[in-house]
Amino acid sequence: EVQLLESGGGLVQPGGSLRLSCAASGFTFSNYAMSWVRQAPGKGLEWVSTISGSGGSTYYADSVKGRFTISRDNSKNTVHLQMNSLRAEDTAVYHCAKAGRAAPAGTSWFDPWGQGTLVTVSS
Amino acid sequence: EIVLTQSPATLSLSPGERATLSCRASQSISSYLAWYQQTPGQAPRLLIYDASNRATGIPARFSGSGSGTDFTLTISSLEPEDFAVYYCQQRSNWPLTFGGGTKVEIK
Repeated sequence: EVQLLESGGGLVQPGGSLRLSCAASGFTFSNYAMSWVRQAPGKGLEWVSTISGSGGSTYYADSVKGRFTISRDNSKNTVHLQMNSLRAEDTAVYHCAKAGRAAPAGTSWFDPWGQGTLVTVSS
Repeated sequence: EIVLTQSPATLSLSPGERATLSCRASQSISSYLAWYQQTPGQAPRLLIYDASNRATGIPARFSGSGSGTDFTLTISSLEPEDFAVYYCQQRSNWPLTFGGGTKVEIK
């Protein structure tokens, strides 16, 4: 069974930093791209970032480009999201999601999703 | 950026009724559309990928259709657990985008 467990969320002041982690199990981790998708309270879903299986390709939403960095450690089956210069509008539940198809690169649907970790940016 | 517009925003139906949800893309996305279901406090769950392929374990009452810019998710007969919010997502181009969601509520 595929499992994704996020951690690292919490309360941070505007301008601060936070590092999210997602521990994966139940599949050949390096074969799949991994993504972060967020959901602000009471709002819809917003794709944040994706990293290819090898880690060689990364993609970001314009809203986070230059502030967030996605990375992965295939030896530890983990993916990270380093978030810097945080803003109030970054407040959301951040879900880790596995690509639905095994492909070296390219886009995919998300399957499954982790339960998420809450990031609150407030003074 | 490809914009996905879902309609209606809210659908009020009774158990046993048929639900038809729409997702329209701002430009052609071929068949690169997925549908997700989200219940309160839960992570989204994949229902349909690439427009018409049911994900593993998804009941046959869920079906997807469409290509190009117009897509439909149909729930043939609503069960109590189907009352939820549904999102579409395109994977034709970066950035990946989601629709704003359709809430299916009990009438």
